Amino acid sequence: AQKVTQAQTEISVVEKEDVTLDCVYETRDTTYYLFWYKQPPSGELVFLIRRNSFDEQNEISGRYSWNFQKSTSSFNFTITASQVVDSAVYFCALGETSGSRLTFGEGTQLTVNP
Amino acid sequence: GAGVSQSPSNKVTEKGKDVELRCDPISGHTALYWYRQSLGQGLEFLIYFQGNSAPDKSGLPSDRFSAERTGGSVSTLTIQRTQQEDSAVYLCASSLMEGAGNTIYFGEGSWLTVV
Repeated sequence: AQKVTQAQTEISVVEKEDVTLDCVYETRDTTYYLFWYKQPPSGELVFLIRRNSFDEQNEISGRYSWNFQKSTSSFNFTITASQVVDSAVYFCALGETSGSRLTFGEGTQLTVNP
Repeated sequence: GAGVSQSPSNKVTEKGKDVELRCDPISGHTALYWYRQSLGQGLEFLIYFQGNSAPDKSGLPSDRFSAERTGGSVSTLTIQRTQQEDSAVYLCASSLMEGAGNTIYFGEGSWLTVV
């Protein structure tokens, strides 16, 4: 069965600090997809990134970067020079080719203080 | 519309009443999903549609929950005889096609409170 673990329930940092959100997953599929979503206080889940299991290249988008390592089944998310507007709950999710549902982690509440 | 639209955004209902939650997916998206997010918990899959068919409804928690989709567009999630444990945010999402290889976009959710 698929499972996603976000061990960090809450993280608090000061503005301009770098912060890494951890995500570990379990799946029996050889082809799968990993996602990160941001949920600000408004409640909407905002899509950040989707990666497939065959693409282990790290990705950078502005202040965001993602480190995908199949050897450790991890898909970690780093925010560089954090800002107050980054405060939100961040969810990691796993999608398998055997179905269309996403399995979400419990989320990490990130608070960036000024 | 530009994004996934859900209504009502907030609903307070009395225990035992029926409620209907509506979702209007992104135009052209054939797959539609319903998830539930209870207070302090993660997201729980309920059901998904490909067109008007629901290949996977295994996440519906009880037979009080049902959903339909008509015209390959709007979907309605119905909860009959609501209970307090049904209080949650109900999130709808859509994607161009079914399958995790497609990006799934979420709406802002319908906040349901059963009193």
